[in-house]
Amino acid sequence: DAKTTQPPSMDCAEGRAANLPCNHSTISGNEYVYWYRQIHSQGPQYIIHGLKNNETNEMASLIITEDRKSSTLILPHATLRDTAVYYCIVRVKGDYKLSFGAGTTVTVRA
Amino acid sequence: DAGVIQSPRHEVTEMGQEVTLRCKPISGHNSLFWYRQTMMRGLELLIYFNNNVPIDDSGMPEDRFSAKMPNASFSTLKIQPSEPRDSAVYFCASSWTSGDYNEQFFGPGTRLTVL
Repeated sequence: DAKTTQPPSMDCAEGRAANLPCNHSTISGNEYVYWYRQIHSQGPQYIIHGLKNNETNEMASLIITEDRKSSTLILPHATLRDTAVYYCIVRVKGDYKLSFGAGTTVTVRA
Repeated sequence: DAGVIQSPRHEVTEMGQEVTLRCKPISGHNSLFWYRQTMMRGLELLIYFNNNVPIDDSGMPEDRFSAKMPNASFSTLKIQPSEPRDSAVYFCASSWTSGDYNEQFFGPGTRLTVL
């Protein structure tokens, strides 16, 4: 019972912005959108999360559509070290669970 | 802060042997999670502790698996007896869980191979 849909893979050029889409058409008002990534042979790493407003931190920006049915994670200047699997996760406010799907395998090419 | 510490990083054992994986969460965190990752099933939550108490162990595959958290700075995941299908990477994560905040910090994982 997948709550999010992501493309299985995408490539991007080093130095360019990487835009990672995520569909969450059944999201509820009390559910957050979280993004994690997993670099090969490492544990997942938190990137960013948001409820309905756009968010930005030192790693990325999160753009959530007005109807909250989809979002985009933006890596502003992708580097080779950003090559990883990126997971978009919907989480109920106050819930501890993070359900990881298959994610998007992002390959940054020189 | 050293982050979440897991040991051993790699474990190779034979079927039927007992395996113990260890985790030291980040100091001050009140929640601890054990996950398992395989190619077939992806990343699965096995068990969740809050303030050292097991809250949800519905992801533990069977009675061969057990987890303990005797204090806020240490947890173990034990498999007895181990089977080849238990081969996976096991991650421990910790967080400060309060209301709507739940950023989980993951350790480097333990790669378990059961022959």
